Parts: sequence; structure tokens; C-alpha cells
Amino acid sequence: RKEVEQDPGPFNVPEGATVAFNCTYSNSASQSFFWYRQDCRKEPKLLMSVYSSGNEDGRFTAQLNRASQYISLLIRDSKLSDSATYLCVAMPSGNSGYALNFGKGTSLLVTP
Amino acid sequence: DTAVSQTPKYLVTQMGNDKSIKCEQNLGHDTMYWYKQDSKKFLKIMFSYNNKELIINETVPNRFSPKSPDKAHLNLHINSLELGDSAVYFCASSHTSRIAGGPDTQYFGPGTRLTVL
Repeated sequence: RKEVEQDPGPFNVPEGATVAFNCTYSNSASQSFFWYRQDCRKEPKLLMSVYSSGNEDGRFTAQLNRASQYISLLIRDSKLSDSATYLCVAMPSGNSGYALNFGKGTSLLVTP
Repeated sequence: DTAVSQTPKYLVTQMGNDKSIKCEQNLGHDTMYWYKQDSKKFLKIMFSYNNKELIINETVPNRFSPKSPDKAHLNLHINSLELGDSAVYFCASSHTSRIAGGPDTQYFGPGTRLTVL
């Protein structure tokens, strides 16, 4: 079983739609959580960190449920430029050397 | 003003050859990483170096040998390349927060697309 699991999609949504991605992680010792974005044939880039209290950055809202080991990302008012793969990431604590455990990613296509 | 750079961007080579990929960061970070993204797009850690010392060495064939000559560089040498080594290799770096004891954001290089024929 992969440490971080995501629905691979693809999610095809019209511009302006609201879309939600979910992710679960198996390592209860995971300490930090992130959403990264990866465009086609590009490197992953940090979209936002995920905090226990939930956090928002413009049209993007991230939530963390430690009890259920569940992370979500909500994108409101989708733009064409939001089309990308969204990678859910967990980072274990302790002697992990700070390596990121990536999910396989959820593909989003926003259409006109 | 490149933050994390990798060379080469593309590498096409024959099975059995030995090749190196170079990575440099100008962010002043103390931790560097190598990740492999396979054809199914799964991104997985290979190695991590903190202040030139190896701190993560995942289950990777010993044909792969990282070398960190200084904190700003982490190179990856691959011996006896195999077909299954074809992938995109990403270098990344981060600063280890002395206060929190954990890392700041990891910044990724543009990737090296390796094709083994």
C-alpha cells in the first residue's frame, strides 16, 4: 500500500467550477503536509502547506484531518491555468531526513 | 537567477553506459535531494544529503551513487545503465529550520529526462 493515496482523476471541469481533491496517508507519524502542483513536463512546485486548522490562499483551501489521516484541497472559481496535476504530500517526522512522500497526483483539466 | 539547476536536461544513452547528472542550488540551502519520477508519474525519494552528509538512502540499486562536493552541489552518477532507469530525475533543495527542526519548502530543479535505449 502506498503511503499517500490520491484519486488519479482526471477531473474535467468547466471554468468557474469548484473542484475538490482528496488524499489519505498511511503513516500516522507524518508531521507536515503539502499540496504541490506539477505542470506537464515541468518540476513540482509548492502550492500550499496544509495546517491542522485548515488554511486558505485565495481560491485554494486546504484541510487536514489527523484522526482520519485525510487531506483535501478545494479550488473555487477554476481557471484554465489551474489545469495541472496536483500532488498530495506527507512528510514523516523523526529520522526521515525530510524526504517528501508524494501521492501519484490528481490530474485536473479546466475547460472553457 | 536560477534557484536549482540540473544538467543535462535530456540524456539519451545506451544500456550499459555510465552517466552523471549534475545539480546546483544557489539558495544557500543545506539539504539536497534526488527524486525519481517514473513513467507512471510516481515521484519517489532516492537520496538526501544534509551539509554534504548522506541522511537518506532509499532502496536504490548501488549502481546509483550520489556525490556532494559541497553544500551547493549534489551530483548523481549511474553505472551500467539499464532500461528500467529511464525516468525523469529531479534534484531538490531545502533549508533545515534550526528553530523548528524541520525543513522549509523544497525547491525542485527542472528535471533530467533520462532515456536508456
